[in-house]
Amino acid sequence: DGGITQSPKYLFRKEGQNVTLSCEQNLNHDAMYWYRQDPGQGLRLIYYSQIVNDFQKGDIAEGYSVSREKKESFPLTVTSAQKNPTAFYLCASSSRNRAEAFFGQGTRLTVV
Amino acid sequence: GIQVEQSPPDLILQEGANSTLRCNFSDSVNNLQWFHQNPWGQLINLFYIPSGTKQNGRLSATTVATERYSLLYISSSQTTDSGVYFCAVISGGSNYKLTFGKGTLLTVNP
Repeated sequence: DGGITQSPKYLFRKEGQNVTLSCEQNLNHDAMYWYRQDPGQGLRLIYYSQIVNDFQKGDIAEGYSVSREKKESFPLTVTSAQKNPTAFYLCASSSRNRAEAFFGQGTRLTVV
Repeated sequence: GIQVEQSPPDLILQEGANSTLRCNFSDSVNNLQWFHQNPWGQLINLFYIPSGTKQNGRLSATTVATERYSLLYISSSQTTDSGVYFCAVISGGSNYKLTFGKGTLLTVNP
Protein backbone atom coordinates (compact mmCIF):
# COMPACT_ATOMS: atom_id res chain seq x y z
CA ASP A 1 0.00 0.00 0.00
CA GLY A 2 1.17 3.53 -0.72
CA GLY A 3 1.44 5.84 2.22
CA ILE A 4 3.40 7.15 5.15
CA THR A 5 4.51 4.79 7.88
CA GLN A 6 5.53 5.95 11.32
CA SER A 7 6.98 3.58 13.85
CA PRO A 8 6.61 2.72 16.57
CA LYS A 9 3.06 3.73 17.43
CA TYR A 10 3.90 4.04 21.15
CA LEU A 11 7.33 4.69 22.60
CA PHE A 12 8.49 4.92 26.19
CA ARG A 13 11.89 6.25 27.21
CA LYS A 14 13.67 7.27 30.35
CA GLU A 15 14.54 10.91 30.87
CA GLY A 16 17.97 11.78 29.53
CA GLN A 17 17.95 9.25 26.70
CA ASN A 18 17.92 10.15 23.04
CA VAL A 19 15.21 8.47 20.97
CA THR A 20 14.69 8.25 17.20
CA LEU A 21 11.25 8.19 15.56
CA SER A 22 10.95 6.63 12.15
CA CYS A 23 9.05 8.04 9.17
CA GLU A 24 9.04 6.31 5.78
CA GLN A 25 7.01 7.17 2.67
CA ASN A 26 6.58 5.37 -0.65
CA LEU A 27 4.64 8.13 -2.38
CA ASN A 28 7.72 9.48 -4.18
CA HIS A 29 7.16 12.80 -2.41
CA ASP A 30 9.95 15.35 -2.28
CA ALA A 31 8.94 17.20 0.89
CA MET A 32 8.66 15.72 4.37
CA TYR A 33 7.66 17.26 7.70
CA TRP A 34 7.70 16.59 11.45
CA TYR A 35 5.09 18.09 13.77
CA ARG A 36 4.53 17.94 17.49
CA GLN A 37 1.08 17.97 19.10
CA ASP A 38 0.44 18.41 22.82
CA PRO A 39 -2.91 17.45 24.40
CA GLY A 40 -5.69 19.79 23.30
CA GLN A 41 -3.31 21.79 21.14
CA GLY A 42 -2.64 22.34 17.47
CA LEU A 43 0.30 21.09 15.43
CA ARG A 44 3.65 22.83 15.68
CA LEU A 45 6.33 22.39 13.01
CA ILE A 46 9.65 20.94 14.18
CA TYR A 47 11.60 20.42 10.95
CA TYR A 48 10.85 20.10 7.26
CA SER A 49 12.79 18.98 4.22
CA GLN A 50 12.15 19.96 0.63
CA ILE A 51 14.74 17.66 -0.91
CA VAL A 52 17.28 14.98 -0.03
CA ASN A 53 20.25 16.19 2.03
CA ASP A 54 18.51 19.47 2.90
CA PHE A 55 16.22 20.43 5.77
CA GLN A 56 15.05 23.57 7.57
CA LYS A 57 14.15 24.32 11.15
CA GLY A 58 10.52 24.86 11.92
CA ASP A 59 9.07 26.81 14.82
CA ILE A 60 10.21 24.52 17.66
CA ALA A 61 13.43 22.82 16.49
CA GLU A 62 15.37 23.14 19.76
CA GLY A 63 16.15 19.75 21.25
CA TYR A 64 15.43 17.87 18.02
CA SER A 65 17.56 16.72 15.08
CA VAL A 66 16.77 15.19 11.68
CA SER A 67 18.47 13.72 8.64
CA ARG A 68 17.33 13.27 5.06
CA GLU A 69 19.77 10.84 3.43
CA LYS A 70 17.11 9.12 1.36
CA LYS A 71 14.01 10.50 -0.34
CA GLU A 72 11.83 7.91 1.41
CA SER A 73 13.02 8.48 4.95
CA PHE A 74 13.04 11.39 7.41
CA PRO A 75 13.91 10.18 10.94
CA LEU A 76 13.50 12.50 13.92
CA THR A 77 15.76 12.26 16.97
CA VAL A 78 14.45 13.65 20.23
CA THR A 79 17.54 14.52 22.23
CA SER A 80 18.03 14.84 25.97
CA ALA A 81 18.13 18.62 25.43
CA GLN A 82 14.40 18.66 24.69
CA LYS A 83 12.87 19.75 27.99
CA ASN A 84 9.35 18.39 27.53
CA PRO A 85 9.56 15.55 25.01
CA THR A 86 6.33 13.75 25.95
CA ALA A 87 3.96 14.45 23.06
CA PHE A 88 2.30 13.07 19.94
CA TYR A 89 4.59 13.29 16.89
CA LEU A 90 3.23 13.38 13.35
CA CYS A 91 5.14 13.00 10.09
CA ALA A 92 3.84 14.21 6.73
CA SER A 93 4.93 14.35 3.11
CA SER A 94 3.94 16.26 0.00
CA SER A 95 4.88 16.26 -3.67
CA ARG A 96 6.75 19.03 -5.43
CA ASN A 97 4.11 19.66 -8.08
CA ARG A 98 0.99 19.40 -5.91
CA ALA A 99 1.69 20.48 -2.38
CA GLU A 100 -1.15 18.54 -0.74
CA ALA A 101 0.27 16.99 2.41
CA PHE A 102 -0.55 13.55 3.77
CA PHE A 103 0.11 12.35 7.31
CA GLY A 104 1.22 9.18 8.99
CA GLN A 105 -0.60 7.72 11.98
CA GLY A 106 1.71 9.29 14.54
CA THR A 107 3.97 8.17 17.38
CA ARG A 108 3.04 8.79 21.02
CA LEU A 109 6.25 9.37 22.95
CA THR A 110 6.23 9.19 26.73
CA VAL A 111 9.35 10.08 28.67
CA VAL A 112 9.42 9.08 32.33
CA GLY B 1 5.54 34.07 9.35
CA ILE B 2 1.96 33.56 8.24
CA GLN B 3 -0.72 33.51 10.94
CA VAL B 4 -3.68 31.11 10.78
CA GLU B 5 -6.72 31.68 12.98
CA GLN B 6 -9.63 29.29 13.25
CA SER B 7 -13.06 29.97 14.69
CA PRO B 8 -14.92 29.00 16.71
CA PRO B 9 -12.49 27.13 18.97
CA ASP B 10 -15.29 24.87 20.20
CA LEU B 11 -18.65 23.96 18.72
CA ILE B 12 -21.39 21.70 20.10
CA LEU B 13 -24.22 20.53 17.83
CA GLN B 14 -27.17 18.21 17.89
CA GLU B 15 -27.13 15.48 15.29
CA GLY B 16 -28.65 16.73 12.05
CA ALA B 17 -27.61 20.35 12.49
CA ASN B 18 -25.45 22.30 10.02
CA SER B 19 -22.27 24.18 10.87
CA THR B 20 -19.67 26.51 9.39
CA LEU B 21 -16.03 26.58 10.46
CA ARG B 22 -13.83 29.49 9.50
CA CYS B 23 -10.10 29.84 8.77
CA ASN B 24 -8.48 33.27 8.40
CA PHE B 25 -4.89 33.67 7.21
CA SER B 26 -2.63 36.69 7.22
CA ASP B 27 -0.87 36.38 3.84
CA SER B 28 -1.31 35.00 0.34
CA VAL B 29 -1.24 31.21 0.16
CA ASN B 30 -0.13 28.57 -2.33
CA ASN B 31 -1.91 25.77 -0.51
CA LEU B 32 -4.79 25.46 1.91
CA GLN B 33 -5.98 22.19 3.36
CA TRP B 34 -8.71 21.12 5.77
CA PHE B 35 -8.12 18.07 7.96
CA HIS B 36 -10.21 16.10 10.44
CA GLN B 37 -8.34 14.54 13.35
CA ASN B 38 -9.99 11.31 14.41
CA PRO B 39 -10.12 9.99 18.00
CA TRP B 40 -6.92 7.99 17.39
CA GLY B 41 -5.05 11.12 16.39
CA GLN B 42 -4.74 10.52 12.68
CA LEU B 43 -5.21 13.47 10.35
CA ILE B 44 -7.67 12.75 7.58
CA ASN B 45 -7.47 14.90 4.45
CA LEU B 46 -10.80 16.59 3.75
CA PHE B 47 -10.01 19.22 1.13
CA TYR B 48 -7.05 20.65 -0.74
CA ILE B 49 -8.50 24.05 -1.66
CA PRO B 50 -6.17 27.03 -2.24
CA SER B 51 -9.08 28.75 -4.00
CA GLY B 52 -12.62 28.11 -5.13
CA THR B 53 -15.29 25.71 -3.89
CA LYS B 54 -15.33 21.94 -3.53
CA GLN B 55 -17.89 19.48 -2.24
CA ASN B 56 -17.59 15.94 -0.95
CA GLY B 57 -20.83 14.46 0.30
CA ARG B 58 -22.10 16.39 3.31
CA LEU B 59 -18.94 18.48 3.46
CA SER B 60 -18.02 21.43 1.32
CA ALA B 61 -15.34 24.10 1.45
CA THR B 62 -14.82 27.53 -0.03
CA THR B 63 -11.61 29.55 -0.11
CA VAL B 64 -11.64 33.24 -1.02
CA ALA B 65 -7.92 33.78 -1.44
CA THR B 66 -8.20 37.51 -2.17
CA GLU B 67 -9.95 38.04 1.16
CA ARG B 68 -7.74 35.54 2.99
CA TYR B 69 -10.28 33.16 4.44
CA SER B 70 -11.70 29.70 3.97
CA LEU B 71 -14.93 28.13 5.19
CA LEU B 72 -15.74 24.49 5.88
CA TYR B 73 -19.43 23.58 5.82
CA ILE B 74 -20.78 20.47 7.47
CA SER B 75 -24.40 19.65 6.73
CA SER B 76 -26.68 17.16 8.51
CA SER B 77 -23.98 16.49 11.08
CA GLN B 78 -23.49 12.99 12.49
CA THR B 79 -21.85 11.86 15.72
CA THR B 80 -18.97 10.49 13.66
CA ASP B 81 -18.20 14.06 12.56
CA SER B 82 -16.97 14.80 16.08
CA GLY B 83 -13.31 15.62 16.47
CA VAL B 84 -10.91 18.43 15.73
CA TYR B 85 -10.90 20.21 12.38
CA PHE B 86 -7.67 21.87 11.30
CA CYS B 87 -6.91 24.36 8.60
CA ALA B 88 -3.32 24.43 7.28
CA VAL B 89 -1.67 26.72 4.74
CA ILE B 90 1.54 27.19 2.80
CA SER B 91 2.21 30.88 2.34
CA GLY B 92 3.00 32.36 -1.05
CA GLY B 93 6.53 33.21 0.10
CA SER B 94 7.38 29.72 1.40
CA ASN B 95 7.00 26.79 -0.94
CA TYR B 96 6.78 24.02 1.59
CA LYS B 97 6.32 25.30 5.15
CA LEU B 98 2.86 24.06 6.16
CA THR B 99 1.43 26.10 9.05
CA PHE B 100 -1.59 24.98 11.09
CA GLY B 101 -4.32 26.83 12.91
CA LYS B 102 -5.21 25.78 16.46
CA GLY B 103 -8.27 23.87 15.28
CA THR B 104 -12.00 23.74 16.01
CA LEU B 105 -13.21 21.04 18.41
CA LEU B 106 -16.58 19.82 17.14
CA THR B 107 -18.85 17.72 19.33
CA VAL B 108 -22.00 16.27 17.76
CA ASN B 109 -24.46 14.90 20.29
CA PRO B 110 -27.06 12.24 19.44
